[in-house]
Parts: sequence; structure tokens; C-alpha cells
Amino acid sequence: DSGVTQTPKHLITATGQRVTLRCSPRSGDLSVYWYQQSLDQGLQFLIQYYNGEERAKGNILERFSAQQFPDLHSELNLSSLELGDSALYFCASSVASRGTYEQYFGPGTRLTVT
Amino acid sequence: AQKVTQAQTEISVVEKEDVTLDCVYETRDTTYYLFWYKQPPSGELVFLIRRNSFDEQNEISGRYSWNFQKSTSSFNFTITASQVVDSAVYFCALSERRGGGSQGNLIFGKGTKLSVKP
Repeated sequence: DSGVTQTPKHLITATGQRVTLRCSPRSGDLSVYWYQQSLDQGLQFLIQYYNGEERAKGNILERFSAQQFPDLHSELNLSSLELGDSALYFCASSVASRGTYEQYFGPGTRLTVT
Repeated sequence: AQKVTQAQTEISVVEKEDVTLDCVYETRDTTYYLFWYKQPPSGELVFLIRRNSFDEQNEISGRYSWNFQKSTSSFNFTITASQVVDSAVYFCALSERRGGGSQGNLIFGKGTKLSVKP
């Protein structure tokens, strides 16, 4: 168990809908990352938050947004869903201090868009 | 540009064989970090090892060993005496140093699927 929790574990929804994925980082970790894993694109970085602020953006679509709350949990919002958004979404957290750089991943949320 | 290449898409071995998973990376930074993660059939991503660019010492952890060679931009992973439980997809990843106390995002290779047969 990495200490990172994600809910829900599975999500099935229809095209055009909006969903919210939730992540709680390991205790003490300030950075939260979101990644998408799909068969064709592999594991891709979406966005990073550090202590409540957005720090980096990767290949995140404009239909997607995220935030990190004062208690450090994070939510990834996916809207106007398309079939191609079906993927495994991972959240990872890390200690934002010098010399420690591992990212620990949650179990993922499997999103199926029908 | 940053890039991680895992040329082996799938490897199949018989239990107790040794197996090496290759990883080649590209980066323009002088300070960077390399990682290996394991993704078993259950789907979670399990951290295995982190290596700093300024530390080329090889590492051994039980049946696992890692060979980091900056001269060839490679960070290979060897499993000795493989077991069925080693069956998984293994990902090599790269991140670069960023200031402000936070770290860079991970750039993943496509992964190598290892099947260990009894």
C-alpha cells in the first residue's frame, strides 16, 4: 500500500458527461501529480499541484481541470467526455523536499466512457 | 527533448532464468533522476528504485539489480532467478530537476511486459 488513495476505483459514464476523480496524497506529501494511462498513449503526465498551487501542465486537454485543496487532497475534473477519454487515471504524490524524489502512485481510477 | 525508450515490448522467460530489461533515456539536463516502476496485473504502479544522475553506482536489492551507465544513457534492470510473481509490466521513467522544492513530472517509457512461466 503506497499510502495514496483514489476514489472511485471504477467509473462508467456516457459521452458528454462530467466526472470528478479524487486523490488523497500520502501524509506529509505536498506535491500531487495526475497521469493518464491508455493503450495508445501509454503513461502521460497531465498536471502537477504543489501545496495548493498549479506547478506544471503536461498533455492535459482543455476539457480537463484539476485543483488541490487546503487539506492537500486533489480532484481531477473531466468534462464533455469522449470515448477516447477511457483510460486508467493515476494520482501520485511526493515529498517536495531536496533529495527525495520518488513519486508514489495510488491504485488508479479506471474510467470507461460509453 | 526528454525521452525514455524501452525497446523490448514483451519478454517471456522460464522461471529461474535471469532477465534484463533495457532502458535508454535522452535529456539535455545535467541533473536528472531515473526510476523503475512495476505494474502487476492488478494495475497499481509500484516504485522500485530511483537513481540520481550524479550517482553511477550500481545497486542490488535481493534478486533485483540496476546498471546505470551515463556514457550510454542507459539504466538497465536485471532480475536474477526470475519467479512467476515477477510477471508484470515494468516502466522506466525520467524526471529532471526543478527548483522551488518541487520535482519534475515523470516521463515514462512504453513499458516492457515480462511473463515468467513456471
